[in-house]
Amino acid sequence: DAEITQSPRHKITETGRQVTLACHQTWNHNNMFWYRQDLGHGLRLIHYSYGVQDTNKGEVSDGYSVSRSNTEDLPLTLESAASSQTSVYFCASSGQGLNTEAFFGQGTRLTVV
Amino acid sequence: DQQVKQNSPSLSVQEGRISILNCDYTNSMFDYFLWYKKYPAEGPTFLISISSIKDKNEDGRFTVFLNKSAKHLSLHIVPSQPGDSAVYFCAASSFTSGTYKYIFGTGTRLKVLA
Repeated sequence: DAEITQSPRHKITETGRQVTLACHQTWNHNNMFWYRQDLGHGLRLIHYSYGVQDTNKGEVSDGYSVSRSNTEDLPLTLESAASSQTSVYFCASSGQGLNTEAFFGQGTRLTVV
Repeated sequence: DQQVKQNSPSLSVQEGRISILNCDYTNSMFDYFLWYKKYPAEGPTFLISISSIKDKNEDGRFTVFLNKSAKHLSLHIVPSQPGDSAVYFCAASSFTSGTYKYIFGTGTRLKVLA
């Protein structure tokens, strides 16, 4: 069965370190998204991609970057981790057609100490 | 500026009764609306959706209503079951404008009491 997987599921890192969260989907979806979930803020869009070599900033992109070198993967990099980036991160993907839903991974809980 | 709003952070309902979750949006370009359900330590899962050309979509116990003039949608769960206890997010997108990203609300935590 097609799926979307995130790794690691949990990570603790120190302030200032670079961190990369992995996202891999086997749906062959063109569209991929990164969200963060915080209490009182819901799911906020960080970055998204509509295909290979395409990346776009979402509403909370400062301090994050993504790259899309193939269809299956969209890694999220925190250039210099900050305590404000402690959160649960979700990757999602969706197909190209109109009126389609996004499928989410299980999430990565990141703690920056 | 929050384009999708869920003004009720939490809702408690007795088992067997109706649960009504509300969502408001501000962007008139949105043309597709979705509801997701999220259990703790899991990713959100798709529940039901509605296109802007409709005002109602039903799937079993779940019905979504869309009022475009009021920029308001609601999710009705009838009858509510304890397994429905979760956080519910509404989301919106504007596919016809070529934008495939999904904007989410802040979520409503539903607790169904046995």
